[in-house]
Amino acid sequence: EDKVVQSPLSLVVHEGDTVTLNCSYEVTNFRSLLWYKQEKKAPTFLFMLTSSGIEKKSGRLSSILDKKELFSILNITATQTGDSAIYLCAVGSDNQGGKLIFGQGTELSVKP
Amino acid sequence: GAVVSQHPSWVICKSGTSVKIECRSLDFQATTMFWYRQFPKQSLMLMATSNEGSKATYEQGVEKDKFLINHASLTLSTLTVTSAHPEDSSFYICSARDTLGGWSYEQYFGPGTRLTVT
Repeated sequence: EDKVVQSPLSLVVHEGDTVTLNCSYEVTNFRSLLWYKQEKKAPTFLFMLTSSGIEKKSGRLSSILDKKELFSILNITATQTGDSAIYLCAVGSDNQGGKLIFGQGTELSVKP
Repeated sequence: GAVVSQHPSWVICKSGTSVKIECRSLDFQATTMFWYRQFPKQSLMLMATSNEGSKATYEQGVEKDKFLINHASLTLSTLTVTSAHPEDSSFYICSARDTLGGWSYEQYFGPGTRLTVT
């Protein structure tokens, strides 16, 4: 059965800290891995990764995929209170007809 | 670009009534839309895949007669919760995939609809 596992499930840090969120997957016919940020409403897109070893970066956020070890990390440097959210990892697979398989999410809380 | 809207953003209804939620892709065409529900502190649970012009594909355990999905155009899908009960209270989120620009797994999410059944 295809699955996506995120860790940790929750994390509390202080402003200015750097955090690393993990996402591992067991999915046949992997196509892409996506990261989303969810605050009070629906998820907003952060990154889509399809190739191993190529870092994607947007401001203080960056992400990389390792297709050999079947995981991805999302890094946030110099965290701010506005980074507090649930971060969702999802994987697209050819087996799933375009559906995304979501992990449980990591709830990040950034304290002032 | 790639904006998805949902209406209503929140609704309260009485047990036994039906509620319709609309999902629209505003600036792109979406042959495929997805409906999710999310309970507090939990991840998104896919309910069904909605394909324009054909029947929806429901996930295991989701009652298709209770959650009616219609995808009549390339920009609109609707989810109707029939004979709602308090246990149907949840956050319902739709997403759409811009398939006309080429194959992509990227999904754009609507803002969600908070349903409360009393």
